[in-house]
Amino acid sequence: NAGVTQTPKFQVLKTGQSMTLQCAQDMNHEYMSWYRQDPGMGLRLIHYSVGAGITDQGEVPNGYNVSRSTTEDFPLRLLSAAPSQTSVYFCASSYSIYNPNTEAFFGQGTRLTVV
Amino acid sequence: AQKITQTQPGMFVQEKEAVTLDCTYDTSDPSYGLFWYKQPSSGEMIFLIYQGSYDQQNATEGRYSLNFQKARKSANLVISASQLGDSAMYFCAMRGAGRRALTFGSGTRLQVQP
Repeated sequence: NAGVTQTPKFQVLKTGQSMTLQCAQDMNHEYMSWYRQDPGMGLRLIHYSVGAGITDQGEVPNGYNVSRSTTEDFPLRLLSAAPSQTSVYFCASSYSIYNPNTEAFFGQGTRLTVV
Repeated sequence: AQKITQTQPGMFVQEKEAVTLDCTYDTSDPSYGLFWYKQPSSGEMIFLIYQGSYDQQNATEGRYSLNFQKARKSANLVISASQLGDSAMYFCAMRGAGRRALTFGSGTRLQVQP
């Protein structure tokens, strides 16, 4: 079972470069989200989607774009990388957000460094 | 608004002993779920255990149990018979019904010593 697949696992970018973090899930989950993890701050929500064609901003959306053309895929785009975006990024999917007992399945994470 | 507080940045425990990782929460949602995730040094987030706000009994999953005290708004994780492989970062998280995301605490780093 693949679950949630994130690529790449590691990435180094120069300031100003753009890139896309890929995320795919094979569980037919409607709800997908992107988090960033910074030291001492836990995980914070960047963007989320409740279904194909529907996306919305989370807690820290600036500098990131998302789209959801299919149920399976939810890529995260960094438009112009900045050192403040150095972080570990996690993609997650859930069956539902309306049922509070729905656990989130996480990808392996992407460690991004912006120099 | 929701908030999770984990007051123990780091914990040490001897192998085979039990350890309790603290988690307190704050929410105005009448219905919510509480989760614990483990993050080993390899970086992935591993779901451990879940407790629903209306569950009458504390959740258990193998060596993991969740000590849920609703009136105190606490959801402590208890790991029995610690193993070296339990060394990791542990995150407490919650979700209110209809909330768009999990709210995470800052985590507790557990080190199991032989």
